[in-house]
Amino acid sequence: DSGVTQTPKHLITATGQRVTLRCSPRSGDLSVYWYQQSLDQGLQFLIHYYNGEERAKGNILERFSAQQFPDLHSELNLSSLELGDSALYFCASSPRTAGTGELFFGEGSRLTVL
Amino acid sequence: AQKVTQAQTEISVVEKEDVTLDCVYETRDTTYYLFWYKQPPSGELVFLIRRNSFDEQNEISGRYSWNFQKSTSSFNFTITASQVVDSAVYFCALSEEQGGSEKLVFGKGTKLTVNP
Repeated sequence: DSGVTQTPKHLITATGQRVTLRCSPRSGDLSVYWYQQSLDQGLQFLIHYYNGEERAKGNILERFSAQQFPDLHSELNLSSLELGDSALYFCASSPRTAGTGELFFGEGSRLTVL
Repeated sequence: AQKVTQAQTEISVVEKEDVTLDCVYETRDTTYYLFWYKQPPSGELVFLIRRNSFDEQNEISGRYSWNFQKSTSSFNFTITASQVVDSAVYFCALSEEQGGSEKLVFGKGTKLTVNP
């Protein structure tokens, strides 16, 4: 158990809809990273938040947004969903911004868009 | 830009065989971390090892061993006496630090099937 909690574990929705994925980092970790794993693109970095502030963006679509709240949990919002958004979304937490190589992954949220 | 190449897409072995998963990386950083993760059919990412770029010592953990060679930019993973439970997709990853953020660049993964 990494200590990172992601909900929901599974989600099935329709095209055009909007969903929110939630991540609770390990106790004390200030950084939250979001990754997407799809059949086409493999595992890709989406976005990084540190103590409530966005630190880096990767290949994140404009239809997607994220935020980190004062209690350090993070939410990834996916809107106007398309079939290609079906993927496994991982959250990872880390104690600091960078330089430690310590990343702890949650079990992922599997999104299916029909 | 950083890149991780896992040339073996799929490997199939018979139980008790040894198997080596290859990983080659590219980076301009002098300080970086390399990782191996296991992803069983259930989908979660299981952390196996993290190696600092300054530590080139090979590591052994039970049936698992890792060979890190900076000269060839490789970080290979060997499973000795493979078991059916080792069947999974294995990912090699490289940390990329930019602007106060440390993201992982993953390889495409190697699917290992261990047959009884």
